[in-house]
Amino acid sequence: EAQVTQNPRYLITVTGKKLTVTCSQNMNHEYMSWYRQDPGLGLRQIYYSMNVEVTDKGDVPEGYKVSRKEKRNFPLILESPSPNQTSLYFCASSPLLAGGPNEQFFGPGTRLTVL
Amino acid sequence: GIQVEQSPPDLILQEGANSTLRCNFSDSVNNLQWFHQNPWGQLINLFYIPSGTKQNGRLSATTVATERYSLLYISSSQTTDSGVYFCAVDLLDMNYGGSQGNLIFGKGTKLSVKP
Repeated sequence: EAQVTQNPRYLITVTGKKLTVTCSQNMNHEYMSWYRQDPGLGLRQIYYSMNVEVTDKGDVPEGYKVSRKEKRNFPLILESPSPNQTSLYFCASSPLLAGGPNEQFFGPGTRLTVL
Repeated sequence: GIQVEQSPPDLILQEGANSTLRCNFSDSVNNLQWFHQNPWGQLINLFYIPSGTKQNGRLSATTVATERYSLLYISSSQTTDSGVYFCAVDLLDMNYGGSQGNLIFGKGTKLSVKP
């Protein structure tokens, strides 16, 4: 089944404890990205990657890191999480055509709470 | 930046009723997608529709790119249609000739279908 998977789905952690949220897609998509969803602010892009070893900042990159060593994986790293990073996180992937990313497919979401 | 406005913000329907959701956007877009966020928080792809009309079962969508709006039609609504419907657009970058894949989401239409 074609899909985007994220792990963990739920995580409660404490301030300052480094964590990684994994994202994997099995559709051979070049483009991958991360979004966060917050009440009143909606969904906003954190980082994106056009292909392996090519990453760039979205609208809200502060406090996050990403890497794209393999085409299928795009982990989101929080080196020192803070309570304002409590949010619902989504990973997405898309084929990359001449005009850029096409239809984006989203993972199931990771609900993160930072105490 | 680009503005994405959805209407109505809230909608309550009796099961079996029809509805139309609207999405207005303020600039030229490369992509437009409709999503359904279910009560468990998952984002379900409904339509990838930068222009034209598509139908999928009881749902259909129309985008008139030249007039900068899109419509989502739900016919014979069911209780499982409840949730939030999002329109998201990807800005067309005239200099780049495509887009960076940063989906800008509207605030959504919260639909409640009563039995």
